[in-house]
Amino acid sequence: QSVLTQPPSASGTPGQRVTISCSGSSSNIGSNTVSWYQQLPGTAPKIIIYSNNHRPSGVPDRFSGSKSGTSASLAISGLQSEDEADYYCAAWDDSLNRVFGGGTKLTVL
Amino acid sequence: QVTLKESGPALVKPTQTLTLTCSFSGFSLNTIGMRVSWIRQPPGKALEWLARIDWNDDKFYNTSLKTRLTISKDTSKNQVVLTMTNMDPVDTATYYCVRTQGTHSDLWFDPWGQGTLVTVSS
Repeated sequence: QSVLTQPPSASGTPGQRVTISCSGSSSNIGSNTVSWYQQLPGTAPKIIIYSNNHRPSGVPDRFSGSKSGTSASLAISGLQSEDEADYYCAAWDDSLNRVFGGGTKLTVL
Repeated sequence: QVTLKESGPALVKPTQTLTLTCSFSGFSLNTIGMRVSWIRQPPGKALEWLARIDWNDDKFYNTSLKTRLTISKDTSKNQVVLTMTNMDPVDTATYYCVRTQGTHSDLWFDPWGQGTLVTVSS
C-alpha cells in the first residue's frame, strides 16, 4: 500500500492544462520535499520535478510542481501527446521509510 | 555522465535468496552526499522503494521488507549490492538501481538504471 495517494487516472486534450494531486501526511509531505517522475511505456522512470518545484535541465517548463501542507501537485500545461505516461510523486516518510505514491496514468485524448 | 546498471539472475525459485549488483560510473560513493537506492516495480504496478545506502555507510530499509533486505557497497568497484531473502512470486518485478541526491529531508532519484526483470517461479 502506497504512503502517498494519487488519483489512478487523469486525462486531457492537447493544449489543455492538467493537474495531478498527491496527498500525504505530516510524516512525509508535511516534513519533506516532493519529487515527481514520468514513466513512459516500457522505460525507466525519469525525474521531472525535485525539491517541490525545481525542474531538472532539459525538462520543459510546461511541467511545474507545488506543495502546500501535506499535499502536492504536478501541473502540465500545453498538454502534448508525448506527455501520455504514468506519473509518480515521491516524498520520504520518516516513520515508515516508504516513498512513492500509487501512480497516475495520464491519457491525452 | 552518470550511469547505473543492474545485474543479477532473471529467474529465481521461491525461498531462494536474490542477489543484485548495481555497477555505476560518473560518481563515487566515497563522496560526501552521495547515495544509492534500490527501487522495484511489479508488472503493471506502482514503484516501491526498497533500500538506500549513503556515502558514510548509513543504511535505510523499507520497514515492511527490512527483515529480508541487506544493502552493501564496494567503493573500490563502484558497486552496490542488494540481497533479498526468502523470495516469493509476489517479488516478481523490475528492480532499479538509482542514484539518490539531496539531503535526508530533500531527496530525489536521478538518474535511474535501465532496470532488470526478476521472475520468481518454480
